[in-house]
Amino acid sequence: EIVMTQSPATLSVSPGERATLSCRASQSVSSNLAWYQQKPGQAPRLLIYGASTRATGIPARFSGSGSGTEFTLTISSLQSEDFAVYYCHQYNNWPPWTFGQGTKVEIK
Amino acid sequence: QVQLVESGGGVVQPGRSLRLSCAASGFIFSSYGMHWVRQAPGKGLEWVTVTWHDGSNKYYADSVKGRFTISRDNSKNMLYLQMNSLRAEDTAVYYCARIGSGSYYPDYWGQGTLVTVSS
Repeated sequence: EIVMTQSPATLSVSPGERATLSCRASQSVSSNLAWYQQKPGQAPRLLIYGASTRATGIPARFSGSGSGTEFTLTISSLQSEDFAVYYCHQYNNWPPWTFGQGTKVEIK
Repeated sequence: QVQLVESGGGVVQPGRSLRLSCAASGFIFSSYGMHWVRQAPGKGLEWVTVTWHDGSNKYYADSVKGRFTISRDNSKNMLYLQMNSLRAEDTAVYYCARIGSGSYYPDYWGQGTLVTVSS
């Protein structure tokens, strides 16, 4: 099973600032990595797939990078609606499909 | 637009059974694989099971293998999760999610249904 490790667990950022979230896989997942955003009481929303491709309707301030075992989600200028929990997800080696434990982005 | 609506959650005693449903609309259901993913209260996302578009392949997390069964009725645009021998640790919000076209990640998710296993 591939273990996904996200860091940090919590990220405190001021509105307008840049946020950088990391995700590490226990073995290579190639570029088969997705990022999701989840707000309280809501379902996850797909942001990025293929490590760097934005999903339909996702603003350009969200960008993904990386391949193999190291991945990054960058939010270039945080808006109020971006404060949420973010999960990475590998779909390269399955079953099982696995998720990171999440990074909470909170208002500083 | 893609819509996934789960139902069937509730409070159930340990050892009992429950069946969840997921009604799909806004896309050609029979062309897409489907996941169930769960989230225990205050915790992260845990993949549960998946079925291919035609039901030909199904996979399960070790934590539910032998107790849960995924099925689908493409004529009704419905996905199901039969959960037997429920345990307290199965308490979670259960989401159905569509598999992205040409790949294996979930792209659209339902709003979830809460299952609470408690005596």
